[in-house]
Amino acid sequence: GESVGLHLPTLSVQEGDNSIINCAYSNSASDYFIWYKQESGKGPQFIIDIRSNMDKRQGQRVTVLLNKTVKHLSLQIAATQPGDSAVYFCAEGGSSNTGKLIFGQGTTLQVKP
Amino acid sequence: GAVVSQHPSRVICKSGTSVKIECRSLDFQATTMFWYRQFPKQSLMLMATSNEGSKATYEQGVEKDKFLINHASLTLSTLTVTSAHPEDSSFYICSARDRALRLEQYFGPGTRLTVT
Repeated sequence: GESVGLHLPTLSVQEGDNSIINCAYSNSASDYFIWYKQESGKGPQFIIDIRSNMDKRQGQRVTVLLNKTVKHLSLQIAATQPGDSAVYFCAEGGSSNTGKLIFGQGTTLQVKP
Repeated sequence: GAVVSQHPSRVICKSGTSVKIECRSLDFQATTMFWYRQFPKQSLMLMATSNEGSKATYEQGVEKDKFLINHASLTLSTLTVTSAHPEDSSFYICSARDRALRLEQYFGPGTRLTVT
């Protein structure tokens, strides 16, 4: 079945370093991808999204890269801060127009001061 | 903008009772709302899609008679967990899709349900 997975369950980085969180997806027909940040006990918070007609999109301190050839998505966080510590999920908006999202398993980002 | 609220944020109920969780879009109209369940240290699992004015669409394995969903208006969807059991204890999260924006989806803060 469809699935979106993350390569690493936990990523530990030093404050100020750049972080890269990876995600693999399986549905080549997917046309919309989103990264969410979830802090403990809270709902997911939108970070950045990208559509399948793009391969890169930048936001404030974050960049999402999409490689459709290998069905890979990554989130880059520049100058990681302690406040970035959270669980990060990639989600796939499928090829249908139902709006349903398929979430990956999540990567815990730990930022060491 | 694009705020989604949930009420209550936490609820404890006894086994066998029912509990209702509300999801509201505060500053936009949502033709579609989604309900997710999240167990500790796990990802979000979609339970159902709620469309205003029509019956909800449930994901495979989700009992529609146990998890009653009502989407009575463009700003409110409710999830009722009927005859709750301890295994229903989880973090329930809703999201809402702005009818004006085809893809964007906004999440509520979640409701922690504990069934004793």
